[in-house]
Amino acid sequence: KAGVTQTPRYLIKTRGQQVTLSCSPISGHRSVSWYQQTPGQGLQFLFEYFSETQRNKGNFPGRFSGRQFSNSRSEMNVSTLELGDSALYLCASSADGSSYEQYFGPGTRLTVT
Amino acid sequence: GEDVEQSLFLSVREGDSSVINCTYTDSSSTYLYWYKQEPGAGLQLLTYIFSNMDMKQDQRLTVLLNKKDKHLSLRIADTQTGDSAIYFCAESFNDYKLSFGAGTTVTVRA
Repeated sequence: KAGVTQTPRYLIKTRGQQVTLSCSPISGHRSVSWYQQTPGQGLQFLFEYFSETQRNKGNFPGRFSGRQFSNSRSEMNVSTLELGDSALYLCASSADGSSYEQYFGPGTRLTVT
Repeated sequence: GEDVEQSLFLSVREGDSSVINCTYTDSSSTYLYWYKQEPGAGLQLLTYIFSNMDMKQDQRLTVLLNKKDKHLSLRIADTQTGDSAIYFCAESFNDYKLSFGAGTTVTVRA
């Protein structure tokens, strides 16, 4: 069974631009969670989607948004990029949202210049 | 509250046992986890333990949970060079969200 895939793997954007990241969960998994990893703040929860509905949201500004499609693929959007948004963005999938088995993708490395 | 703490670095000789420690503050945690991250990679789930368990063993990995002291440890037996990585302790509350520690960088020396 294929693992969690994230595209693109690397991205360079300029301040003020917006960006969309994509995550395809493991086949059959219906929950997708997003995390931001930075050297200063570590791993922080962004949001979680299950069956196209956002069930939980972390403490991030409204510039960070997401959605999930009927095939469980998820996208994350960041608008009006700031330098501090440079990070590794990780998504994780689980079958039904039970976090005891969350499988992570390789991440998208976003650099904002 | 959500606060997971780990020591930042651990150096161990190849073949020795590694013990990585973690403390957490929320006694309502449901599950506690250990993840491994190698350079340039995502997180790999190593093992997890339910909060009503004291110990879990999986091949070279042993997890010990002391709920009274809110202390979690991961022991890696016969540590190999391939075990060099960052190890994250994490806890979950409502099954939707993981709260991570800062990570322990384990360096295995020959």
